[in-house]
Amino acid sequence: KQEVTQIPAALSVPEGENLVLNCSFTDSAIYNLQWFRQDPGKGLTSLLLIQSSQREQTSGRLNASLDKSSGRSTLYIAASQPGDSATYLCAVLANQAGTALIFGKGTTLSVSS
Amino acid sequence: DTGVSQDPRHKITKRGQNVTFRCDPISEHNRLYWYRQTLGQGPEFLTYFQNEAQLEKSRLLSDRFSAERPKGSFSTLEIQRTEQGDSAMYLCASSFPTGTNTGELFFGEGSRLTVL
Repeated sequence: KQEVTQIPAALSVPEGENLVLNCSFTDSAIYNLQWFRQDPGKGLTSLLLIQSSQREQTSGRLNASLDKSSGRSTLYIAASQPGDSATYLCAVLANQAGTALIFGKGTTLSVSS
Repeated sequence: DTGVSQDPRHKITKRGQNVTFRCDPISEHNRLYWYRQTLGQGPEFLTYFQNEAQLEKSRLLSDRFSAERPKGSFSTLEIQRTEQGDSAMYLCASSFPTGTNTGELFFGEGSRLTVL
């Protein structure tokens, strides 16, 4: 059974710092991996999607990497801003015929000004 | 319409009452998913549809839960005889099927259920 773990559970940083959020999964046979952002009481916003054949994806100040063999992904946020404060969720899609994303519990990020 | 919409955004009900949530997916997406999220946890899969067919249901979906997607468009999730443990955020997502697309899921804003 696929399990997704995110470390740390919470992170507080001052504005301007570069930071890394970690995601690990137990079954390396995944179809894709998706990073989401969730603001309190809100739905999920897709940030980046990495296909299993890819090593990384970038969008603005965000960079996500994928190492399938070790079962790990990282989300790198450059020059953090208070507006980046949110919970970041990692999710994997098991395979091409897979029906549902399996989520981690998320990392709650707080960026202070 | 550019996103997934859910209604109502927040529902407060008394234990034992029935509640129904509606989800309108992105119009060209034929896969629709329901997830449940409790405080401090990641979303947990409940069920998914491809067009009007309900193809998979999680063990989390007890007999009190029923989901439909008539005509393969909007979907409803009904909870009968609500219990306090049903209090959660119910999230809907849609996508194209994998293999023909990236498999990226797009989520709505969720429907928060509070059972008193």
